[in-house]
Amino acid sequence: QVQLVESGGGVVQPGRSLRLSCAASGFTFSTHYMHWVRQAPGKGLEWVATIWYDGSNQYYADSVRGRFTVSRDNSKNTLYLQLNSLRAEDTAVYYCARVTYSNYDYWGQGTLVTVSS
Amino acid sequence: NFLLTQPHSVSESPGKTVTISCTRSSGSIAGNYVQWYQQRPGSAPTTVIYEDNQRPSGVPDRFSGSIDSSSNSASLTISGLKTEDEADYYCQSYDNNKWVFGGGTKLTVL
Repeated sequence: QVQLVESGGGVVQPGRSLRLSCAASGFTFSTHYMHWVRQAPGKGLEWVATIWYDGSNQYYADSVRGRFTVSRDNSKNTLYLQLNSLRAEDTAVYYCARVTYSNYDYWGQGTLVTVSS
Repeated sequence: NFLLTQPHSVSESPGKTVTISCTRSSGSIAGNYVQWYQQRPGSAPTTVIYEDNQRPSGVPDRFSGSIDSSSNSASLTISGLKTEDEADYYCQSYDNNKWVFGGGTKLTVL
């Protein structure tokens, strides 16, 4: 069965960095576009980043462009999100999600990032 | 970029029918597929409708989706409401490599 398992969240000070990982299993990872979506406490869902199946293209929300970097290692079936220059407003649960055509058809359980001094 | 606007909350009684709207601010609602996700507290979202009106396997046919070009909006309709339908619902679409979620609608079944 398809599984997405995020890790790497935690408490970090403003301005510092963090790297999130998402381990995928149960499907052919290298053939799927993957996204990161976040949800601030008590708030709605926000698309963060997209990476193509082969890693050749990445797209970002305006709120994170230039600070966050999405990447993937298809040999390890793993998706990454590098978070730099973190701000308090980046505090959220970060989900990785598989995309099939236009639909987020599988989500991980999420990993919480808290930016606080 | 465009916005998707949903009502903040709706409520209805068990057994009744409720419709949640999702209005696109610019660009055609018919130009890109709309998805709907259900999210219960403490859980990740799950798809209830994809590609405007398709139901994933396992989603009951009480859930249906539609789009209306005249109002540039999408709708999620849930009939025969059950208490288990109480959750947050998000519409989602995309354009030009940007993916957009509506602000979410809290459905209360009371």
